Amino acid sequence: DVKVTQSSRYLVKRTGEKVFLECVQDMDHENMFWYRQDPGLGLRLIYFSYDVKMKEKGDIPEGYSVSREKKERFSLILESASTNQTSMYLCASSPPLGYGYTFGSGTRLTVV
Amino acid sequence: EDQVTQSPEALRLQEGESSSLNCSYTVSGLRGLFWYRQDPGKGPEFLFTLYSAGEEKEKERLKATLTKKESFLHITAPKPEDSATYLCAVSPMDSSYKLIFGSGTRLLVRP
Repeated sequence: DVKVTQSSRYLVKRTGEKVFLECVQDMDHENMFWYRQDPGLGLRLIYFSYDVKMKEKGDIPEGYSVSREKKERFSLILESASTNQTSMYLCASSPPLGYGYTFGSGTRLTVV
Repeated sequence: EDQVTQSPEALRLQEGESSSLNCSYTVSGLRGLFWYRQDPGKGPEFLFTLYSAGEEKEKERLKATLTKKESFLHITAPKPEDSATYLCAVSPMDSSYKLIFGSGTRLLVRP
């Protein structure tokens, strides 16, 4: 069964910390995505990557950066965590041409 | 602007009471429409892909249909375990990467 694995289910970090969220997929997918999901706001795209070392900003990239050094791994970095970044973070991957995403199980991040 | 709207926001059903969820979309060209199920605290789980008007897909008590402007997710004789948030998303023809998501319908099925 194809899988997208997010390294942590729950994280608690302090304001100002640098936070790394890791995502690994085993499907050899070209595209990988980071979303955040908040009540009433739905899924919002933070960044996506369509190839190794390639990245593009999504709808809400401020305060975040990403890294994709290998095809299977896509990392989301919060440079200096703030309380308004408390959220559920979802990683997804897909083959080209929008054939649909496979999601990870999510990371619930709380910044205190 | 590409847009996906789901209705209702929330739906409460009695076990066995069939109903439908709606997903209306506005895109310049549709590559595909996707339905996902999401349980609380978990990532969305893929249900169906629909590519062209008139297409239908079925899985257990769920059936998805597609027209040129909207999709319906029909739930026949639902059970409490069908309780979840159902998300609709579209893949526009002019984007190879992105899906545009609706805000979801929260379904609660009471025994």
